Amino acid sequence: QLQLQESGPGPVKPSETLSLTCTVSGGSMSSFGYYWGWIRQSPGKGLEWIGNIYYSGNTYYNPSLKSRVTISVDTSKNQFSLNLSSMTAADTAVYYCARSSGTSPKRGFDIWGQGTMVTVSS
Amino acid sequence: EIVLTQSPATLSLSPGERATLSCRASQSVISNYLAWYQQKPGQAPRLLIYGASSRATGIPDRFSGSGSGTDFTLTVSRLEPEDFAVYYCQQYGSSPWTFGQGTEVEI
Repeated sequence: QLQLQESGPGPVKPSETLSLTCTVSGGSMSSFGYYWGWIRQSPGKGLEWIGNIYYSGNTYYNPSLKSRVTISVDTSKNQFSLNLSSMTAADTAVYYCARSSGTSPKRGFDIWGQGTMVTVSS
Repeated sequence: EIVLTQSPATLSLSPGERATLSCRASQSVISNYLAWYQQKPGQAPRLLIYGASSRATGIPDRFSGSGSGTDFTLTVSRLEPEDFAVYYCQQYGSSPWTFGQGTEVEI
């Protein structure tokens, strides 16, 4: 059974870069046709899609964050990562990683990690 | 960007009652790529419905989705105690993928 688990550094200071990793277990990230995505949830803005990386390595970002976001994949470790630069208090949220199918039938995000709280504070 | 508007914000019902939740899109959702999620406190969202009307694996048949274009509905035919939660719609047909603001189903 496929499982996803986020890990990260905990508190982040303003202007720093957030780095989170999602480890995939119980299956291969290289499986044909899946997107691996990041979503965040804050009280003020609800659920917000940050971006996806396709199994082929192509990336897709939310334009509202595109200038600050990088998503990458390390298939040898079965992990994908999120870097979000120039963090501010507005980036305080629970960050989730999740899987979505890119081939028919497309299902939205069918498997989620448990989420990790990221607080931006000096 | 497609804006999803969910209504009502809160739905107060009792176990055994029928719940009808609405999700309206600001423009047509491509290929009806519309999903519904359930979220309980402290948990990640769980996929209930995809493609507007297909139930995800393991989802009870009391959950059903309908609609097309810009108007979508999630129906819970008979509420069980574990169904009281927040429900979100999401469109994944156009970038950026977007979520509605949620409907809380409360006792």
